[in-house]
Amino acid sequence: AQSVAQPEDQVNVAEGNPLTVKCTYSVSGNPYLFWYVQYPNRGLQFLLKYITGDNLVKGSYGFEAEFNKSQTSFHLKKPSALVSDSALYFCAVSAGTYKYIFGTGTRLKVLA
Amino acid sequence: SAVISQKPSRDICQRGTSLTIQCQVDSQVTMMFWYRQQPGQSLTLIATANQGSEATYESGFVIDKFPISRPNLTFSTLTVSNMSPEDSSIYLCSAIDTLVQYFGPGTRLTVT
Repeated sequence: AQSVAQPEDQVNVAEGNPLTVKCTYSVSGNPYLFWYVQYPNRGLQFLLKYITGDNLVKGSYGFEAEFNKSQTSFHLKKPSALVSDSALYFCAVSAGTYKYIFGTGTRLKVLA
Repeated sequence: SAVISQKPSRDICQRGTSLTIQCQVDSQVTMMFWYRQQPGQSLTLIATANQGSEATYESGFVIDKFPISRPNLTFSTLTVSNMSPEDSSIYLCSAIDTLVQYFGPGTRLTVT
C-alpha cells in the first residue's frame, strides 16, 4: 500500500536561513513524487515533481527537492527562506497512477 | 498547466438542503477529481470523474450523498446532498495535466 509521511507538523525558520521540509514515502514500484503549497483560503499550488531522471529537481519560487531512493525520502528545500514562504506544504506520492496519496501537511513559519 | 476555477467560493447552507459546486478547467482533461479538506488538514479523495462514465467513489463516499456530473472534458459538478453540519468543509476539484494534478481554489462550505 502507498503511504507518505511528513513527520513535522510545523517547521520554524528564520528569514534568510535555509529550510527543509521532510517527506518519506512507501510505494510499490517507482514513485512519482510531488510537493504542493497551500496559502490560507487558497487551493493547492503545484511546486515541483519527481518522475524520473536527476535526483535533484527544481521547482517554483526557488524551491528544490532531492529524491533519495535508499532512504525513500523527498525532502523539500530552499537555500534562503522568505517570510512569504510561510504556508502549509503537502508532499504527495503516486505509484504511476492517477491516485495521489497526500501527507498530513507541514506548516512552515518563516520568522522575520 | 491547467487552470481551474470553482463556483461558489464559499457558501453557508442550512441542514437538509443541497449545494452544487461547479468546476471549470481551461483545457480538455481526461480525469477530474473531487476532494474534501478540513482547514489546515490533509486531503481526502471523494471520487474520480471521467467524462462519459460514472464517477468512481472512494470508500466512505456514496453517489446518493455526493452525485457528480462530468458532461464534457472541461467541466464537472459535485453536489453535496441533504447536508448536515458534518459536511462543513472545503471542497476542492482537481485535474491531471501531464502527470500533475492541478487544483481549483476550493469551495468553503458551512452547514448550519
